[in-house]
Amino acid sequence: DGGITQSPKYLFRKEGQNVTLSCEQNLNHDAMYWYRQDPGQGLRLIYYSQIVNDFQKGDIAEGYSVSREKKESFPLTVTSAQKNPTAFYLCASSISGSDTQYFGPGTRLTVL
Amino acid sequence: GQQVMQIPQYQHVQEGEDFTTYCNSSTTLSNIQWYKQRPGGHPVFLIQLVKSGEVKKQKRLTFQFGEAKKNSSLHITATQTTDVGTYFCAVTGSARQLTFGSGTQLTVLP
Repeated sequence: DGGITQSPKYLFRKEGQNVTLSCEQNLNHDAMYWYRQDPGQGLRLIYYSQIVNDFQKGDIAEGYSVSREKKESFPLTVTSAQKNPTAFYLCASSISGSDTQYFGPGTRLTVL
Repeated sequence: GQQVMQIPQYQHVQEGEDFTTYCNSSTTLSNIQWYKQRPGGHPVFLIQLVKSGEVKKQKRLTFQFGEAKKNSSLHITATQTTDVGTYFCAVTGSARQLTFGSGTQLTVLP
């Protein structure tokens, strides 16, 4: 069964702790993306990666880090430097050369 | 990056009424995509428009791309409760990253 998985669905952390969100895809897509969504707002791009071992900052990369060691995986670390980390985080992927993105179910992060 | 303005932010309609959301850009767009996000869910791709003046239909949904490729609309005829959700337009950047509009949250009253 192909798709994009994100785990966990809900995540709680204490302020000052780093936390890593998982994103895995078995669609053989080259490109992967991380977005942040705040209540009642659109999606904002955090980081994206078009190929393995390469990634670029999006519009709101400060306080976040990523890695792309495998084609299937694109984990996002929310660091303690992110001033307002509580949000809904969405991972997406796309086929090389295509504009259409396929989204995972998302992780709701709450920092207490 | 490219900016796209989407209106209205919220829309409440009675079941059976029509609904339209609009996206506008100050620059010419190469294409525009539309996504739907159900409450508590994730965005799901609906369609991509590429050609000037293009009109595409999916059952009760009609998508239009302006002649100048600077605006687009999504129209739903005779809304149903299953249409509830937030509709986003999105435009593609140079590296195929998407910039999303702020979305229109549709509520359908039974």
